[in-house]
Amino acid sequence: DAMVIQNPRYQVTQFGKPVTLSCSQTLNHNVMYWYQQKSSQAPKLLFHYYDKDFNNEADTPDNFQSRRPNTSFCFLDIRSPGLGDAAMYLCATSTSLGDQPQHFGDGTRLSIL
Amino acid sequence: GQSLEQPSEVTAVEGAIVQINCTYQTSGFYGLSWYQQHDGGAPTFLSYNALDGLEETGRFSSFLSRSDSYGYLLLQELQMKDSASYFCAVRDTGYSTLTFGKGTMLLVSP
Repeated sequence: DAMVIQNPRYQVTQFGKPVTLSCSQTLNHNVMYWYQQKSSQAPKLLFHYYDKDFNNEADTPDNFQSRRPNTSFCFLDIRSPGLGDAAMYLCATSTSLGDQPQHFGDGTRLSIL
Repeated sequence: GQSLEQPSEVTAVEGAIVQINCTYQTSGFYGLSWYQQHDGGAPTFLSYNALDGLEETGRFSSFLSRSDSYGYLLLQELQMKDSASYFCAVRDTGYSTLTFGKGTMLLVSP
């Protein structure tokens, strides 16, 4: 089945230690999104790629970076995680920018020690 | 900017009908989406309204009034498995990405 896959499901890292979360898709969608979702809150868009064009939300901290080496894969890098970065990180895809639906992965729950 | 308002929690019993309202303020508007998210799971798409009126998909229906900047999700014949959080989300013409509301937790009891 075509889908969006995030690895790992759970990630624990130390305060200040860089961490990378990964997302892959078999849907061949042009757009890939990264959202941050804290407990009982709405998903908050961090950035998105439309093909190779990267778009950063204005309020996304500089600590967060992303890479999309090809259509299928996208990575979220957190350079120096702080305690406030503990959250669920969701990857999503869509055929084109703004198109509905967005297809979400199961997320990576990041904990900071 | 964009803002969305939806109730934080709704409770209902199995077999009942429940309506979750969403009001929004945006500088431009493309459409209103609804997503369901079970605890610890991924958001899954339920519906999308770009035009005024009612869209029906099985037990779920979604309504939009662009002039009132208002929409709702109607869930019929509630089942226990419908217990989840429901998010409305707007697509703004300026941004073309989604902004999610804070979500409504629906608790269905026997």
